Amino acid sequence: IQMTQSPSSLSASLGDRVTISCRTSQNINNYLNWYQHKPGKAPKLLIYAASNLQRGVPSRFSGSGSGTHFTLTISSLQPEDFATFYCQQSYLTPRTFGQGTKLEIK
Amino acid sequence: QVQLQESGPGLVRPSGTLSLTCDVSGASISGSDWWSWFRQSPGQGLEWIGEIYHSGITNYNPSLKSRVTMSVDKSKNQFSLRLSSVTAADTAIYYCARRYYYDGSDPYSHYFDYWGQGTLVTVSS
Repeated sequence: IQMTQSPSSLSASLGDRVTISCRTSQNINNYLNWYQHKPGKAPKLLIYAASNLQRGVPSRFSGSGSGTHFTLTISSLQPEDFATFYCQQSYLTPRTFGQGTKLEIK
Repeated sequence: QVQLQESGPGLVRPSGTLSLTCDVSGASISGSDWWSWFRQSPGQGLEWIGEIYHSGITNYNPSLKSRVTMSVDKSKNQFSLRLSSVTAADTAIYYCARRYYYDGSDPYSHYFDYWGQGTLVTVSS
């Protein structure tokens, strides 16, 4: 399954609302997870099954979508949110990720 | 708290074999989870290498399948990765992670919830 994220990079300011898109090459129902990855750190699960917030993740993160189009939204950017975000499908093997969206401070 | 920690040589010679181990604490490797390996090459995204169940059942990425071997050591609560015939293209940060089923009745309902910090492996002479 091909995963296409957009944009590949994004500059935003503290307090901004940002949305990241993930499209898949075939229908994966809602079997889509989102991760946040900072340099030198372990990736962190944010959202599973397209829209379910992982325990301990701030409520400013949300996910939506089904089928082939999914979005991750951060409602009000905080300093600790600047990182690279990846979508990942759990529908088929091999497990595949989007190419990543790097979120930078404007 | 589940913790994973990768270990192994940071430098591997071209044509050699990369060998890494992931130590698991806070969870039994003999439980219902799968144990996975990933890598991130410089400037690239995350690539799934494969996974292993405590029984020894494996799933590998077809792009690497001919060179990958994974194993489990239940007595040490750890799992391992071997990647043979390495080239400079295998230079990457390698991560281990747990694949967890959040709905045991649905075979597609899983995610990677605990990850190691990653270990850099450089392939160079």
